[in-house]
Amino acid sequence: DTGVSQNPRHKITKRGQNVTFRCDPISEHNRLYWYRQTLGQGPEFLTYFQNEAQLEKSRLLSDRFSAERPKGSFSTLEIQRTEQGDSAMYLCASSLELGTSGGAHNEQFFGPGTRLTVL
Amino acid sequence: AQSVTQPDIHITVSEGASLELRCNYSYGATPYLFWYVQSPGQGLQLLLKYFSGDTLVQGIKGFEAEFKRSQSSFNLRKPSVHWSDAAEYFCAVGRYSSASKIIFGSGTRLSIRP
Repeated sequence: DTGVSQNPRHKITKRGQNVTFRCDPISEHNRLYWYRQTLGQGPEFLTYFQNEAQLEKSRLLSDRFSAERPKGSFSTLEIQRTEQGDSAMYLCASSLELGTSGGAHNEQFFGPGTRLTVL
Repeated sequence: AQSVTQPDIHITVSEGASLELRCNYSYGATPYLFWYVQSPGQGLQLLLKYFSGDTLVQGIKGFEAEFKRSQSSFNLRKPSVHWSDAAEYFCAVGRYSSASKIIFGSGTRLSIRP
C-alpha cells in the first residue's frame, strides 16, 4: 500500500501524559499536513511542512504541541501534558506541490488518522 | 475570514433518488473548492475540486458540483444514489496563494434509505 499511513491508529492515555504520533506520507510528496477532527466537525488545520520546513502553524497549535519532519519524509506530532480537550482524531495528509506559489493546488491525500482518547 | 457552511447536518434519501448537498463559502479572494467523502474508519477521499474554468465539475463515483460565484455556493449533486454512498461529506475551501491549508465545513452525514 503506497498511501499515507499513520501510527498508532488508536491511543488511550491519561491526562498529563505525553503522546507522539507518526505519519508516513506518500513517498514522493513534498508537503505534509496535520489536521485535527473532533466528533461532528470537519478537520481543522494544525500545521504543514514543505520538505523539512514547517511553514505555517495554526493558532490551535498551542505550545504543548510540536511537530517535526526532520528529514523531509515522515513526520511526528507530539502533545505534551495531554488534556481531555485534546481527545480527537489527528489526521495527516500529503501532497506533491510542483509550483512555487504555495496555493492549495494539488490534492491532499489523507491517512486513516490516529484517534486519541485522553482519560 | 475564510469559512465554509454546510447547512444540512444529516440528510436521508432513498436509494436511486437524486441528491444535492449544499455548501456555502466565505472567501475574500479566488477560492479553490473541494468536496471530500469520509466513510467510517476510512480516510478522507477527494471527490472533486474546482480551481477555475468550467463551473460544472465532474468527480469520481458519479458526483458533480457546480460553482456559483454570485451565490458563493458549491453544491454537490448525484443523479442516483447507491447504498454505498452513505458517508460523511465535507465541503472545503483552499487559499489561492501563500499557504496550503484547507478550511473544512462541519460536514453532512448522508444516510440511504433502502
